[in-house]
Amino acid sequence: DQQVKQNSPSLSVQEGRISILNCDYTNSMFDYFLWYKKYPAEGPTFLISISSIKDKNEDGRFTVFLNKSAKHLSLHIVPSQPGDSAVYFCAASAQGYGQNFVFGPGTRLSVLP
Amino acid sequence: DAGVIQSPRHEVTEMGQEVTLRCKLISGHNSLFWYRQTMMRGLELLIYFNNNVPIDDSGMPEDRFSAKMPNASFSTLKIQPSEPRDSAVYFCASSSLRGPYGYTFGSGTRLTVV
Repeated sequence: DQQVKQNSPSLSVQEGRISILNCDYTNSMFDYFLWYKKYPAEGPTFLISISSIKDKNEDGRFTVFLNKSAKHLSLHIVPSQPGDSAVYFCAASAQGYGQNFVFGPGTRLSVLP
Repeated sequence: DAGVIQSPRHEVTEMGQEVTLRCKLISGHNSLFWYRQTMMRGLELLIYFNNNVPIDDSGMPEDRFSAKMPNASFSTLKIQPSEPRDSAVYFCASSSLRGPYGYTFGSGTRLTVV
């Protein structure tokens, strides 16, 4: 059973609009969450993180929201740019950062010019 | 720092052959993770090491898969014998317990077993 779910395999957004990528988790012990971005033929790279003591973390165009009661987090990209087109993975850990992250299956974002 | 280095980048082999994937960690990182990416299952954790010691290998598909960490900076993942269903992209990643950024991934090895 998947502990981290990304129910949208793909998402298309017009350049300049907002992209919202969603992630749901089942393990209430998860206390640290990351988003990774992956381009073709490259490894995933860290994008943004959030600890369970927060409900929002912002870094430039990227904002992650955490709703612990709903076991849901989302990544907002505003404004979306064609260079944001990639696969986005949500990951969660019950042991803080650095250890044993469980990854979702990923969402492929396409930002159309 | 050169980052996590994986070799080879691509491997094509015949069914039944032995395949060895290699990974060099970032200096100072003490945890090493092997992942497999497939379209159906996304990123699956195969095995991870802390300080050269295997901690959890429950993700290793079967006995045909084995991983070693002979020293603090290097790891291998071996498949013997290989099968077509092993075809995937294999990533290794390293991390430091002191870092808040999760893992640093290598560029992956794309394995094709024909």
